[in-house]
Amino acid sequence: NAGVTQTPKFQVLKTGQSMTLQCAQDMNHEYMSWYRQDPGMGLRLIHYSVGAGITDQGEVPNGYNVSRSTTEDFPLRLLSAAPSQTSVYFCASSSTRTSEAFFGQGTRLTVV
Amino acid sequence: RKEVEQDPGPFNVPEGATVAFNCTYSNSASQSFFWYRQDCRKEPKLLMSVYSSGNEDGRFTAQLNRASQYISLLIRDSKLSDSATYLCVVNRGGGFKTIFGAGTRLFVKA
Repeated sequence: NAGVTQTPKFQVLKTGQSMTLQCAQDMNHEYMSWYRQDPGMGLRLIHYSVGAGITDQGEVPNGYNVSRSTTEDFPLRLLSAAPSQTSVYFCASSSTRTSEAFFGQGTRLTVV
Repeated sequence: RKEVEQDPGPFNVPEGATVAFNCTYSNSASQSFFWYRQDCRKEPKLLMSVYSSGNEDGRFTAQLNRASQYISLLIRDSKLSDSATYLCVVNRGGGFKTIFGAGTRLFVKA
């Protein structure tokens, strides 16, 4: 069972570079979201989507863009990487607004 | 003040001990509540949902007090394999916004 698949698992970027973190789910979930996890901060919501074509900002959206062209895919784009974006990024999906979230394995991003 | 706050930990307990984690949330419109477990360098996974009536799953008991905006998790007869970080999670009303606490790390030692 694939569940939620994130790629890449590890990435090193130079300041100013852009890149896209990929996220795909095969559970036909309407709700998808991106979080970043930093030591002592827990998971913070970056952006989320309640269905194809619909996205909204979370707690820490600056420096990130998302799109949701299909139910399955929810990529996260870093526009111009900064050292402050060094973090572990998790994509998650859930079937309803209030139900359990399933997470991908995470992407460890380092910006130098 | 954070919207979801947890005991900072870490908790260091011997095998067989009972350990309790506490969590408070500030948004009274919150609608659903969970405890997740996160192993080192892994993704969070659902441990259990939390209901107002309280619920139990084997050695784990979760309680919710809506009036006090307080959530708890009790682990009885701790095992070495219970060592992990436990995340309190609250889903707000009015939209899809799931808020995670910073987590409490548990170390169970032989």
